[in-house]
Amino acid sequence: KQEVTQIPAALSVPEGENLVLNCSFTDSAIYNLQWFRQDPGKGLTSLLLIQSSQREQTSGRLNASLDKSSGRSTLYIAASQPGDSATYLCAVRGTGRRALTFGSGTRLQVQP
Amino acid sequence: EAQVTQNPRYLITVTGKKLTVTCSQNMNHEYMSWYRQDPGLGLRQIYYSMNVEVTDKGDVPEGYKVSRKEKRNFPLILESPSPNQTSLYFCASSLGAGAGETQYFGPGTRLLVL
Repeated sequence: KQEVTQIPAALSVPEGENLVLNCSFTDSAIYNLQWFRQDPGKGLTSLLLIQSSQREQTSGRLNASLDKSSGRSTLYIAASQPGDSATYLCAVRGTGRRALTFGSGTRLQVQP
Repeated sequence: EAQVTQNPRYLITVTGKKLTVTCSQNMNHEYMSWYRQDPGLGLRQIYYSMNVEVTDKGDVPEGYKVSRKEKRNFPLILESPSPNQTSLYFCASSLGAGAGETQYFGPGTRLLVL
């Protein structure tokens, strides 16, 4: 059974710092991996999707990498801003499964 | 605006009183699903639908029903709610179920069953 772990569970940084959020998964037979952002009282917003055949995806200040063989993904946020404060969720979709398996998230606080 | 909508956003009910949470998407997506989010357990899939009249169980389907009579709508039905179904529910949709398909989530429905 696929398990997804996110480290750290919470992170507080001053504005302007570059930071890395980590995601690991136990079964490397994945279809894709998505990073989401969740704001309090709101739904999930998709940030980046990496297909199993890809190594990384970039969107603005965000860069996500995928190392399928080691079961790891990282989300790199450059020059963090207070508006980046949210919970970041990693989710993988296994081959043959329709469901996403989510990690428990990293709660990020960027201090002005 | 492309979106997934859910209603109601907040609901308090009592044990055994049937309820329906609606979900609608305006993106002509084929794939729709329901998740629940609980502290310490993360998001878990309840049911999903590949297309009209095609539904299947997810990881935690017990106590729930769904239907897909129209492409845009995917209601979640709790026939006899119990307190352990108190949770935050999300509906999601994607164009298909391919590897490159991003899933779009609704704003969530917070349910309290007394």
